[in-house]
Amino acid sequence: AQKVTQAQTEISVVEKEDVTLDCVYETRDTTYYLFWYKQPPSGELVFLIRRNSFDEQNEISGRYSWNFQKSTSSFNFTITASQVVDSAVYFCALSDTGANSKLTFGKGITLSVRP
Amino acid sequence: EAQVTQNPRYLITVTGKKLTVTCSQNMNHEYMSWYRQDPGLGLRQIYYSMNVEVTDKGDVPEGYKVSRKEKRNFPLILESPSPNQTSLYFCASSSPRQGANEKLFFGSGTQLSVL
Repeated sequence: AQKVTQAQTEISVVEKEDVTLDCVYETRDTTYYLFWYKQPPSGELVFLIRRNSFDEQNEISGRYSWNFQKSTSSFNFTITASQVVDSAVYFCALSDTGANSKLTFGKGITLSVRP
Repeated sequence: EAQVTQNPRYLITVTGKKLTVTCSQNMNHEYMSWYRQDPGLGLRQIYYSMNVEVTDKGDVPEGYKVSRKEKRNFPLILESPSPNQTSLYFCASSSPRQGANEKLFFGSGTQLSVL
């Protein structure tokens, strides 16, 4: 069975600090996909990144970066120089590639960035 | 504009009164899914549909029904709502062939309260 663990439930930082959100996953599949979604206070879910299991290259997008390590089954998300607008709930998710593919979400991390 | 439209945005009802939450997407997506979000539990899948007339249970299907008579619509039906179905509900869709492995487009959510 698939499982996504986001051990941190709430993180509070001061603006301009760097912050890393941890994500550990479990799956028996060799091919799978990992995602991060952001849920700002307004409530909508915003897609951030999708990564397949064969691509372990780290990715950077502006102040956001992702570190995928298959050896530790982790897909961590770092925000550099955090801003108040980064305050949100962040979900890590995992999907398999079966005929009835399913997306399993972690419980989410609430990030508060204080001015 | 590509979007997933859910209605209503907010709904208060009483135990046992049948209700339907509508979901429509304009992207010709084959895959559609319903999730519920509860504090501390993240998002959990209720039902999903790989195509017209093809639906299947997710992790928490009890008390819900769905139908997929047209590609664009995927309504969620609560035949006899109970207070434990008070939750924030999201509909989502993704591009053909890849199901949950692709980026999901989410609706704005429906906050349901069952008294």
